Amino acid sequence: QKEVEQNSGPLSVPEGAIASLNCTYSDRGSQSFFWYRQYSGKSPELIMSIYSNGDKEDGRFTAQLNKASQYVSLLIRDSQPSDSATYLCAVNYDDYKLSFGAGTTVTVRA
Amino acid sequence: NAGVTQTPKFQVLKTGQSMTLQCAQDMNHNSMYWYRQDPGMGLRLIYYSASEGTTDKGEVPNGYNVSRLNKREFSLRLESAAPSQTSVYFCASEMTGFEQYFGPGTRLTVT
Repeated sequence: QKEVEQNSGPLSVPEGAIASLNCTYSDRGSQSFFWYRQYSGKSPELIMSIYSNGDKEDGRFTAQLNKASQYVSLLIRDSQPSDSATYLCAVNYDDYKLSFGAGTTVTVRA
Repeated sequence: NAGVTQTPKFQVLKTGQSMTLQCAQDMNHNSMYWYRQDPGMGLRLIYYSASEGTTDKGEVPNGYNVSRLNKREFSLRLESAAPSQTSVYFCASEMTGFEQYFGPGTRLTVT
């Protein structure tokens, strides 16, 4: 099991603002990185995957990866109340396995 | 496509009882996983199956057994439930590239 650390929440942002979520990981050999969104009482839902250094944009979500610093982040632009959820960072290690962070809870206030 | 399905949704057991959690996927994925999620601890891998006919231990396998019945189905068995196994259990499946898709979960309480 490899370590994945996320910034502790909860994170409260006003509607329309940018929410910034951070994640660091311990295994330098990791090549695949994911962000999952989990609404209260529901299962994790994959929202972003990133494999190369740099930025990857998908709608209002941008994932950023820096393998040298072992750092991956998620930006949520124009935050909406529907973005209120817990966001899980996941990083691959060994074959077939993902290690998950404990999650950061985001609350978007109207 | 139902995706990943799990049964039951909720279960209450007494200490020492046994039960099997069922998982099925209709996405023709090769790999399947069982996780448990506890407050403040994230998802922890219990067992996984990289392909039909193979199973391997994850991070927290003690007290559990699994069966990969066929490509679609992967079950998790608790032989003698303990209060420490109170948790939410998620099954997931994956084709390639580590993109895992989760079932709705089973909330298990052991008293």
